[in-house]
Formats: sequence, C-alpha cells, structure tokens
Amino acid sequence: DAGITQSPRHKVTETGTPVTLRCHQTENHRYMYWYRQDPGHGLRLIHYSYGVKDTDKGEVSDGYSVSRSKTEDFLLTLESATSSQTSVYFCAISEFGSRDQPQHFGDGTRLSIL
Amino acid sequence: GNSVTQMEGPVTLSEEAFLTINCTYTATGYPSLFWYVQYPGEGLQLLLKATKADDKGSNKGFEATYRKETTSFHLEKGSVQVSDSAVYFCALSDGGSQGNLIFGKGTKLSVKP
Repeated sequence: DAGITQSPRHKVTETGTPVTLRCHQTENHRYMYWYRQDPGHGLRLIHYSYGVKDTDKGEVSDGYSVSRSKTEDFLLTLESATSSQTSVYFCAISEFGSRDQPQHFGDGTRLSIL
Repeated sequence: GNSVTQMEGPVTLSEEAFLTINCTYTATGYPSLFWYVQYPGEGLQLLLKATKADDKGSNKGFEATYRKETTSFHLEKGSVQVSDSAVYFCALSDGGSQGNLIFGKGTKLSVKP
C-alpha cells in the first residue's frame, strides 16, 4: 500500500471555525490531490499540488485553501467551516501526474460541521 | 467538458452470479480509464486500468475493455463473491490538468451468500 496518512480520521466541529486536514506521504511523489466524496456525486477535486509551493484549483475549490511547504505534506484548510462542507475528504498522490498513471488514495477524513 | 456516467446502484447479486457495471464517458482526446473499488470505511483502491482503445484491464477476476467506438469501459466479473461487496467507481484521466481524475458517482454492489 502507498504510504499515505490522513489526519485526523474523524472530526466534528462547529460552523464558522477553522479546520485543517493533513495529508502525509512517504513515497516522495510530486503530485498530491484533495477530493471530497459526497453521496450522489462521487469524488470531486478540490485542489491539487504539482510540487512544493505549487498548487492549483480543482472543480470545487470555493471555501478551501491549501498549502504545501514540504514534498511529504499537503494541508487542506477550511477558513470558516460551513455545514455544506460536511463530507469525507480523501487525499491522493501520483508520481508523475500523467494521464496513464493511477492515483493512490489515503483512508479519508470524515468531517462533520454542525 | 469531460464526464463519466455509470449505472446507478445499488446492485444486489447472489454469490457466483455474473456482474456487469456499465460505464460510459465523454472526453476530448484520448483519456485513460480506471476502475477503483472502495470497501467500507476505506479509501479507494485501483482495481484496473486501460490507457488506449481496445486495451483490456484485468485484476482479481474483474475485466474491462476500453471501447472507443462506444465510449465505454464496462466492468465485468464472471462469478462474484461476498468479499466483492463494495462501491465501484469508474474514472477517466485526460492528463490535461496534471493527471486529475474525473469520477462517476459510484455503484454499490452487495453480494449475498
């Protein structure tokens, strides 16, 4: 299994509070991704990174920011959490980011915003 | 834009039944196609992939063939087991945005003994 650790695995918080999710990899892969999984939507890309300090927006980036100061860590921040951001969040990694290369996923973080 | 459509679930089968989960896609260019599986409480695992037309991906008894003429990548297994119960996702990558994946909505499979 790819060495991907997401933390925390579960979190419950209140509307308006800041939340940071962490993805840590031990594979030294260049590309890292954050997805959210919601019933009826499959997985949707929030942000991705193609190197240290290099990030870009995905399909559903509003209300989220990311940072990558080291190859192994990719942080997802909800500056002021809303109930619509209740979801399961998955981190994924890819060595080259090419179209024929699969991504490897972490076990997810279940986030509930009350 | 690019998109993936897969059959709605849930799908319930008896053990040893034949499985087909339909997946069709819309994409410009020549995407790669993937099937991922998600077991309860876990992340997604790559099941199989195909990177060009007429390629057949296979793994653990599952197969899917990349059909460009019908823009399809249907997942099949000849004899399912209870342990195959999971959610299956079809996905494509055109490589245009750093290898980002576009997923279908997922199909939940339940196999009864």
